[in-house]
Amino acid sequence: AQSVTQLDSQVPVFEEAPVELRCNYSSSVSVYLFWYVQYPNQGLQLLLKYLSGSTLVESINGFEAEFNKSQTSFHLRKPSVHISDTAEYFCAVNKNTGFQKLVFGTGTRLLVSP
Amino acid sequence: DVKVTQSSRYLVKRTGEKVFLECVQDMDHENMFWYRQDPGLGLRLIYFSYDVKMKEKGDIPEGYSVSREKKERFSLILESASTNQTSMYLCASSGPQGTPLHFGNGTRLTVT
Repeated sequence: AQSVTQLDSQVPVFEEAPVELRCNYSSSVSVYLFWYVQYPNQGLQLLLKYLSGSTLVESINGFEAEFNKSQTSFHLRKPSVHISDTAEYFCAVNKNTGFQKLVFGTGTRLLVSP
Repeated sequence: DVKVTQSSRYLVKRTGEKVFLECVQDMDHENMFWYRQDPGLGLRLIYFSYDVKMKEKGDIPEGYSVSREKKERFSLILESASTNQTSMYLCASSGPQGTPLHFGNGTRLTVT
């Protein structure tokens, strides 16, 4: 079975500062990896995903994540955050065969202040 | 754009009541899911369905059942609501393996 660990439940940061949200996973088989974002009072939206190929994936709003197989990590980074990035971020993993069944981490709340 | 619609945004029910949470998607997706979201616990999978009339238990199915009579609709049923089922319920749908999940905006259920 797969599992995901997001060690930081909350990350406070000032606007325009860099941020890293950590995600580690556990799986005995090859996986797909995802980051989802949840803005207040909304459902989750896909931020970015790793399926195969380049280990560095980017989103349209400046976030990026790097798949590191040896460290079983998929950390999310942004070089300069905005107030509007305040949200909860969930890392998720799915084995790349069989049924589509995502396992989510417990989430990291990113709090960006002026 | 994919749309996943959950019938109620907020719901208040009494202990012991039978509760139906409805979810409809408009993209002809094979897969549909029900998650519950609780602070500090993230999202936990209750049930999922990969085809009409097919269902599979997720990680926390106790106290819940589901129904998928049509491809676009996936219902979550609480046979006898209890206070520990107070939570945010999120429905999602997806296409094949590797495609993203599309979520509804959630139903916040309070059982008193």
